[in-house]
Amino acid sequence: DIVMTQSPDSLAVSLGERATITCKSSQSVLRSSSNTNYLAWYQQKPGQPPKLIIYWASYRESGVPDRFSGSGSGTEFTLTINNFQAEDVAVYYCQQHSQTPPWTFGQGTRVEIK
Amino acid sequence: QVKLVQSGGGVVQPGRALRLSCAASGFSFGLYSFHWVRQTPGKGLEWVAVMSADGRKTFYTDPVKGRFTVSRDNSKNILYLAMNSLRVEDTGMYYCARDTTAAEREFDYWGQGSLVTVSS
Repeated sequence: DIVMTQSPDSLAVSLGERATITCKSSQSVLRSSSNTNYLAWYQQKPGQPPKLIIYWASYRESGVPDRFSGSGSGTEFTLTINNFQAEDVAVYYCQQHSQTPPWTFGQGTRVEIK
Repeated sequence: QVKLVQSGGGVVQPGRALRLSCAASGFSFGLYSFHWVRQTPGKGLEWVAVMSADGRKTFYTDPVKGRFTVSRDNSKNILYLAMNSLRVEDTGMYYCARDTTAAEREFDYWGQGSLVTVSS
């Protein structure tokens, strides 16, 4: 199974500043046949289900503000939130869907306001 | 619009059974695979099971194999998770989530969640 490890576990960011979360996979999630990284990012606010924000490592889901961006390839990925807003307070998860089953998630990174 | 509305859940004793439902609307239910994902304080988000669009293929995480069964009724647009021989460690919030036909993409829509508490 592919193990997903996020860092840090928690993060405090000032409003207007940048938040950066890293996700590492124990094996590559890059599908060579399509040159596509099968890596997604989700945002979960209290009392709500996870919400897809980034797919294929760097593609923003429709309706997601452009201050959210994803990057990386292979085994290392980054979620960046520029101009951090109060409504961005949440727990963020990465997920691989390259080698399945099982589908596996990172442990989550809690992002709060400093 | 796409909606996944869950029902079921509750408090049950260890060894008992429970069934969760996930009613879909706003899209062609029969064209999509669906997953169940649970969230526990100790393990975060954990994938539980998947059922293919046509209902012919299912996969389960090892801890629930032989105890949980996922099924679907494409005529009613409902996904089910039958949970038997429940254990304390099955306690958590259970979500249904949509995938593509081939179950090879990210989960683009999620239900609101069903809370399952297994306790004596």
